[in-house]
Amino acid sequence: EADIYQTPRYLVIGTGKKITLECSQTMGHDKMYWYQQDPGMELHLIHYSYGVNSTEKGDLSSESTVSRIRTEHFPLTLESARPSHTSQYLCASSQLDATNEKLFFGSGTQLSVL
Amino acid sequence: KNQVEQSPQSLIILEGKNCTLQCNYTVSPFSNLRWYKQDTGRGPVSLTIMTFSENTKSNGRYTATLDADTKQSSLHITASQLSDSASYICVVSDRGSTLGRLYFGRGTQLTVWP
Repeated sequence: EADIYQTPRYLVIGTGKKITLECSQTMGHDKMYWYQQDPGMELHLIHYSYGVNSTEKGDLSSESTVSRIRTEHFPLTLESARPSHTSQYLCASSQLDATNEKLFFGSGTQLSVL
Repeated sequence: KNQVEQSPQSLIILEGKNCTLQCNYTVSPFSNLRWYKQDTGRGPVSLTIMTFSENTKSNGRYTATLDADTKQSSLHITASQLSDSASYICVVSDRGSTLGRLYFGRGTQLTVWP
């Protein structure tokens, strides 16, 4: 069982609100990621971080921003939510073992913007 | 264009039966191929990771095969259980950074009926 936690699990908010999705891991992983997933579709990388004070944009353009002030914490913020932001947001962290980098996912936050 | 295609899109089987899910990819260069299980409303959980030199890998009732020449992989589930109902996602990593870039399939939605 991976020690990576996301809160809230579900969030329903109105258009224009500012929201922050929380992600924390207790495994000491340097690398962390945010993915966006719509029903029946593939995961898309929106942000990643290789360590403290490191953040990069992913493959999918996103109006969200992230920060990495502590190794264990990688929050995602939307300054002004819109209905087009409705989606599932998955946080992940990775660890390099002997041969491959293993990716661990949180349970996700299902965001609905009305 | 690097892509990962999975088939079938959805599958219904009876409890106790076996099934095989397919994954074809065009990702190049190739580093490794992963199968994940994603329960509804949860994050993906790793089942297997295979590198170029590995033809088969098992994890309990799950057996993955890889043919790097034809760029095909399959996931075989033996003696299915109700708890196997989930989306099964094929993910291919290219070379580059230690994690590489990940290409996600859209998943096969498996439903196991009693």
